[in-house]
Amino acid sequence: AQSVAQPEDQVNVAEGNPLTVKCTYSVSGNPYLFWYVQYPNRGLQFLLKYITGDNLVKGSYGFEAEFNKSQTSFHLKKPSALVSDSALYFCALSFHGSGNTGKLIFGQGTTLQVKP
Amino acid sequence: DGGITQSPKYLFRKEGQNVTLSCEQNLNHDAMYWYRQDPGQGLRLIYYSQIVNDFQKGDIAEGYSVSREKKESFPLTVTSAQKNPTAFYLCASSIVAETYNEQFFGPGTRLTVL
Repeated sequence: AQSVAQPEDQVNVAEGNPLTVKCTYSVSGNPYLFWYVQYPNRGLQFLLKYITGDNLVKGSYGFEAEFNKSQTSFHLKKPSALVSDSALYFCALSFHGSGNTGKLIFGQGTTLQVKP
Repeated sequence: DGGITQSPKYLFRKEGQNVTLSCEQNLNHDAMYWYRQDPGQGLRLIYYSQIVNDFQKGDIAEGYSVSREKKESFPLTVTSAQKNPTAFYLCASSIVAETYNEQFFGPGTRLTVL
């Protein structure tokens, strides 16, 4: 069965330090992977996606993610964290296969806390 | 100003009542989706629609109903059959219902059962 796991409920990092939010997935076939961010009581905002090609994907607000097929991971990264990056982050999976029509499978979310 | 709007922002329901959540988009997107968000559980798909006058059940459709009479609108009704409706509800759309297209989300409606 297809699934997404975000192994950390919360990640704490100091402002200016690099951050990583982890995501692993399970799918039969080729995955399409997404990262979204959610601020309190708001909808989700799209950050970036991997479809094919270069394993390093660059997105909004200085975020990037690295697709690793052998480790089935798609970790979100940023070289220098800002306090304003503090939010809830979701990894999501879609895949090419019969019966799938744009549905996304979400991880449970990781709260990022950036301290000044 | 393009985007997805949801109303109301907050909604309170009494036991036994049906309530309808509004979702409108002016992005000219074909596909629309409804998700439910509960703390620590991520988002779960309730219903989705790939085209006008057509929709499919998602993973947790019981106790919910939808309609898609217009491309721009995809209202969700939470019926009295939904035993635990208190949650944050998010509507989304994508240009077409393809697996590689990102979805755009509305601001959400928080439903509370009194």
